Amino acid sequence: AQSVAQPEDQVNVAEGNPLTVKCTYSVSGNPYLFWYVQYPNRGLQFLLKYITGDNLVKGSYGFEAEFNKSQTSFHLKKPSALVSDSALYFCAVRAGNTGKLIFGQGTTLQVKP
Amino acid sequence: GAGVSQSPSNKVTEKGKDVELRCDPISGHTALYWYRQSLGQGLEFLIYFQGNSAPDKSGLPSDRFSAERTGGSVSTLTIQRTQQEDSAVYLCASRLTGFGNEQFFGPGTRLTVL
Repeated sequence: AQSVAQPEDQVNVAEGNPLTVKCTYSVSGNPYLFWYVQYPNRGLQFLLKYITGDNLVKGSYGFEAEFNKSQTSFHLKKPSALVSDSALYFCAVRAGNTGKLIFGQGTTLQVKP
Repeated sequence: GAGVSQSPSNKVTEKGKDVELRCDPISGHTALYWYRQSLGQGLEFLIYFQGNSAPDKSGLPSDRFSAERTGGSVSTLTIQRTQQEDSAVYLCASRLTGFGNEQFFGPGTRLTVL
C-alpha cells in the first residue's frame, strides 16, 4: 500500500536561511509526488509535483523539491526562507488509477525574523 | 479564473442532525475528490468522482456518509445522523483528467457537531 511519511512535526528556521521539509514515500510502481501548503483557515495550495524527468523540481514561491529514488525521498527545499513561508506543508503521493492522494501527516514550518 | 468553492464555510449542528456540504469544482474539471481533515486522522480521502460516477468510495467512513455529483459539476456530501467524531474540515478538490495533473482544493467546510 502507498504511504507517505513526514518525520518532523515542526521545522524552525531563521529568515534568510535555507529550509528543508522532509518527506519519504512507499509506493509500488512509479511514484507521482506532490507538495501542498496550507495557510490558517485556508484550503491546500499546490506547490509542485514530480511525475517524471529531472529529479530537481521547481515550483511556486521559490520552492523546489528533490526526488531521490534510491532513498525514496522527496524533500521540499527553499534557498532563503521568508517569514511568510510559515505554514503547514503536506507531502502526498498519488494512489492507484483514480488519482486520489495519500497525504503525510504534515509539517509545520515556522520561520522567525 | 474561479477556483473550487465550497459552502457553507462553517457549519455547526447538533448530534443526530443531517448535514449537506456543497462543492463547486473548477469548470471543465471532470475529476472531483472529497477529503476530510481532522486533528487525529490528518488528511483522509473520502470519495472520488469521474463525471457523475463514483468509482472509488473506499474512504467513506460509514454508511451515514454519501455523496453525489450532478451535471458533471456540483457535488454534495451528505452526513446523516451526525456524530461528534464527524467534526472536521471537509475539503473538496478537482482536477483535469490526465495522469499527472494536480488537484486544486477548495477552502473547506468546517463542521462542528455539538
